[in-house]
Amino acid sequence: SYELTQPSSVSVSPGQTASMSCSGARLGNKYASWYRQKPGQSPVLVIYQDNKRPSGIPERFSGSNSGNTATLTISETQALDEGDYYCQAWDGSTGVVFGGGTKLTVL
Amino acid sequence: QLQLQESGPGLVKPSETLSLTCAVSGGSLTTTNYYWGWIRQPPGKGLEWIGSISYTGSTYYNPSLKSRVTISVDTSQNQFSLNLTSVTAADKSIYYCARMWLKRPKEYFFDYWGLGTLVTVSS
Repeated sequence: SYELTQPSSVSVSPGQTASMSCSGARLGNKYASWYRQKPGQSPVLVIYQDNKRPSGIPERFSGSNSGNTATLTISETQALDEGDYYCQAWDGSTGVVFGGGTKLTVL
Repeated sequence: QLQLQESGPGLVKPSETLSLTCAVSGGSLTTTNYYWGWIRQPPGKGLEWIGSISYTGSTYYNPSLKSRVTISVDTSQNQFSLNLTSVTAADKSIYYCARMWLKRPKEYFFDYWGLGTLVTVSS
């Protein structure tokens, strides 16, 4: 079955840029999406189709996807950006696949 | 604004069937290019996709759960449902329903989510 691997945690200082990765076999041939989930809340879509932002998501959020790795980048990180971030893709055999999630801490 | 609301028992006995419904408001189930999905999250853990259904009844299921899962749709009520049979303690999770954009060959993502409902499995 297809798997997506994410680092368990990423820390960043306020105002700095946070980057988190999502790795999977030939992920660059698929579209990656990203979700942010704050404690006690439902996930929220922040990036879809590798680098598109839904309405209401700040331009500070950007994404890329190439080779085996997709990356979510948050510039000028703020405390309100803290949460768990999940990547997601579709595999023809497995269906929808989520990564294990990365906890973003803004120190 | 589209809203999704999960409902169903919060407690299910081991070996029995978990049944949940997702009511959709502010939009129609019959919108082109959208499927309707179930995702679960064990407390403190990550997201696991269960399956998705179109308004015509076309389904995709997670292979690891497929033998126990049935997802159905009721367009007259603008809702869709999940049945998960033979539950065990491992099925204790927050269950979310969500709208999924689907455009082949590779556009698949969830853009609206319900608030989730916690289901516990215990006798």
